[in-house]
Amino acid sequence: ETGVTQTPRHLVMGMTNKKSLKCEQHLGHNAMYWYKQSAKKPLELMFVYNFKEQTENNSVPSRFSPECPNSSHLFLHLHTLQPEDSALYLCASSQGGWASGRGSQETQYFGPGTRLLVL
Amino acid sequence: DAKTTQPPSMDCAEGRAANLPCNHSTISGNEYVYWYRQIHSQGPQYIIHGLKNNETNEMASLIITEDRKSSTLILPHATLRDTAVYYCIVSSYNNQGGKLIFGQGTELSVKP
Repeated sequence: ETGVTQTPRHLVMGMTNKKSLKCEQHLGHNAMYWYKQSAKKPLELMFVYNFKEQTENNSVPSRFSPECPNSSHLFLHLHTLQPEDSALYLCASSQGGWASGRGSQETQYFGPGTRLLVL
Repeated sequence: DAKTTQPPSMDCAEGRAANLPCNHSTISGNEYVYWYRQIHSQGPQYIIHGLKNNETNEMASLIITEDRKSSTLILPHATLRDTAVYYCIVSSYNNQGGKLIFGQGTELSVKP
């Protein structure tokens, strides 16, 4: 257990559905992240939030909409997805704050992921 | 962000030390070396990180060369449960946040 939980663990949805992925961290961190891992590919960073503010959007299509209501919770709202969006979606958290040289405090801890299948 | 080069796969006998190499010849002075591993279809697990000095924790040891252009992760007594993909990442943090740029990693197979 890393202190980062994700629900649901598995999700099957049609291309016209709307669904949401939830991430919660119990580590007292201030930064949260969404990553995507497609089959046989490395993890790709999607979004970064620091103190509830989005600081990174890695050219993610608008059919993925993140929401960070507080430092402990992160959502990824999904709508009109495509089959190629099927992947493992991973959430992570870190201390945040972004002061330079604080490598120890910026270790990211990952949740178990949500396996998404878009039909 | 500096890139890393790792062998795509390695085998190790159970109970023996697993030494996983990583090249990061373009690493800059404020970039840390991080190691994570990912067991099939699970979230990546943090192992260890370092800047200049060698580091050791309950999971592994990290040896960084003096010029910081390469490093080695050592699992002192590999078990079957250490079979996973191991990622070597160099990362720094600025006021925009932190990025972990994952490559393909090394697929370590620990065999009985």
